Amino acid sequence: GNSVTQMEGPVTLSEEAFLTINCTYTATGYPSLFWYVQYPGEGLQLLLKATKADDKGSNKGFEATYRKETTSFHLEKGSVQVSDSAVYFCALTPTGANSKLTFGKGITLSVRP
Amino acid sequence: GAGVSQSPRYKVAKRGQDVALRCDPISGHVSLFWYQQALGQGPEFLTYFQNEAQLDKSGLPSDRFFAERPEGSVSTLKIQRTQQEDSAVYLCASSLGTRGNEQFFGPGTRLTVL
Repeated sequence: GNSVTQMEGPVTLSEEAFLTINCTYTATGYPSLFWYVQYPGEGLQLLLKATKADDKGSNKGFEATYRKETTSFHLEKGSVQVSDSAVYFCALTPTGANSKLTFGKGITLSVRP
Repeated sequence: GAGVSQSPRYKVAKRGQDVALRCDPISGHVSLFWYQQALGQGPEFLTYFQNEAQLDKSGLPSDRFFAERPEGSVSTLKIQRTQQEDSAVYLCASSLGTRGNEQFFGPGTRLTVL
């Protein structure tokens, strides 16, 4: 079946540090890939997505590139801010009509001033 | 416009009680999903509706779990004879279409079974 594996957390960084959160997936065909973010006290919201190989999703300074050869979708940001502190989830939807999401476990990011 | 809303936000039940969780999706959204999120884990798919039709219920963990969306808008997730392992946050999401559209999530209902 489909699965998503995220690096173990939590992650603590100083403001303006470089961020990488690793995500790899297992799926047949060509899934769509997503990063969702959950800020403290808020619901899950879509951060970025990529729907085919070599696509790069980007939003709010975050980027992730769909790498089919390594089945990865790592999240990066060049300079994190305190306001980026949140839980980040990597997810996929399979090819086909049903768009149910398969999520990774999530990773908590804390950014210190 | 209003987002996805869920009620109640918190529910405490004694083991063996029945509970009903409500989801109001964004108006006009065709697709509706329910997910279960255990503490420290990512959400896991429970069931999917396209309008009033329940097209996928493969994620429902047992026959104690039942979901409906009779008029293609509001949905209710019912859990009968709750068990401690049912304690989790139940998330509802809706999307405009049926293929690959962004899912918008509600705030969730935190269920605690004592």
